[in-house]
This record gives sequence, structure tokens and C-alpha cells, in this order.
Amino acid sequence: QLQLQESGPGLVKPSETLSLTCSVSGGSIRNNNYYWGWIRQSPGKGLEWVGSTFYSGSSFHNPSLKSRVTVSGDTSKNQFSLKLSSVTAADTAVYYCVRLKGSDNYTKIPSLYYMDVWGKGTTVTVSS
Amino acid sequence: ETTLTQSPAFMSATPGDKVIISCKASQDIDDDLNWYQQKPGEAAIFIIQEATTLVPGVPPRFSGSGSGTDFTLTIADIESDDAAYYFCLQHDNFPLTFGGGTNVEIK
Repeated sequence: QLQLQESGPGLVKPSETLSLTCSVSGGSIRNNNYYWGWIRQSPGKGLEWVGSTFYSGSSFHNPSLKSRVTVSGDTSKNQFSLKLSSVTAADTAVYYCVRLKGSDNYTKIPSLYYMDVWGKGTTVTVSS
Repeated sequence: ETTLTQSPAFMSATPGDKVIISCKASQDIDDDLNWYQQKPGEAAIFIIQEATTLVPGVPPRFSGSGSGTDFTLTIADIESDDAAYYFCLQHDNFPLTFGGGTNVEIK
């Protein structure tokens, strides 16, 4: 059974870069059927899709985050990561790593793949 | 960007009740809507895909309906284990967006 586990600093200073890693067990990120991504949840904004990546490099991010987001995979470690630069207090949230899949019934473009497996989440606070 | 308006934000139910949660989209999203269940400290669980299809392994007391702009999640004969936060997701257009969620309490 696939399991996802987030890790990274729980506290990040304003203007610095938030870096999180998702370790995948029970399956490989090197799989042509899935993308891998990040969702965040904050009391003020609710749930928000942050970004997604294919194991070999194709990636997308939420336009609301401008170009601050980098999501990438590391097949040697069976992990993928999130980097969010120039953070502010508004980036304080619980961050979840997820696996994304396409539809079983029709061909779906990867930027519209949806979550089928979630991690338990990790809390990140932005504060000096 | 599609806005999903979910209601109610909170509800309290008694075991055996039928619970209905609504998710309304700001534009036509066909049947590209999923439902998820989240319990504190646990990974969210994928329960309904493409508006009406029960994800394998999910109890049949959960069902989904709707298309276009109006969708519902129904939990028939609710059990104490169903106490959780439920949320909808649209995957019809970019970027993916979520409903505001519903906290379901079991008395």
C-alpha cells in the first residue's frame, strides 16, 4: 500500500525558502501513470493546490503563487520535494504531499490530474 | 478559476441519520468533481470520483450525485466512524480548486 510521508522544517523565517520532502513507500515515483504534488491548508484560505511534478521533470504550479514554487522528483531516493521562495506569514499552513492520477474513463491532461493518495501533512509556520 | 461553495460548513448528526452535503460550482464542470474525507492527524481518503463513482473499498453508505454546477455527497445511515471533515475538489479546469469543507460531528 502506497504511503507518503512529509518532512522538513516546521519554522521558516520571512523572505526565506520553504523546503519540504515527501518520501514515498510501497510504490515508485518512476511511474508513467501518476504525478506527484503538494496541497496546503490554512485557516484563512482553506485547501489550495500548490504544484505537481512528473518523475522525469514536467511540472505545474498554481498561478496564484507566481513563480515562487518548484516541485521536483528524485528517483534515486524515491522522493519528491517542494521549494517555495520568498515566504511570508500567508504561507503558514499544513502542507500535504499527494499522488495525482488521471481519469479511468477518458484521457485527461496532466495539469488536471487529481489526488488519490495523501500524506498526513506537516505544519509549517513562517515567523521571525 | 472555478469557485466551489460547499454547505453546510458544520453539521451534527445522530447515528443512523442520512447526511447530505452540497457543493456548488461557479461554472459548469461536467462531472469533474471528487469528494474526500479527512480526520485529524490522518491522511485524507478519496471517497467519490467523477461525481458519482464510489472509490473501491469505500463503504456503500457513501454516494455522490450531480453534474454541471450542483453536486451532493450523501452518507446514508451514518456511523460514529464517519465523524470527519469532508471536502470537494474540481478537476475540470486549471487550477484545481477545493470547496470550503464540511465538519460532520456525530452525537
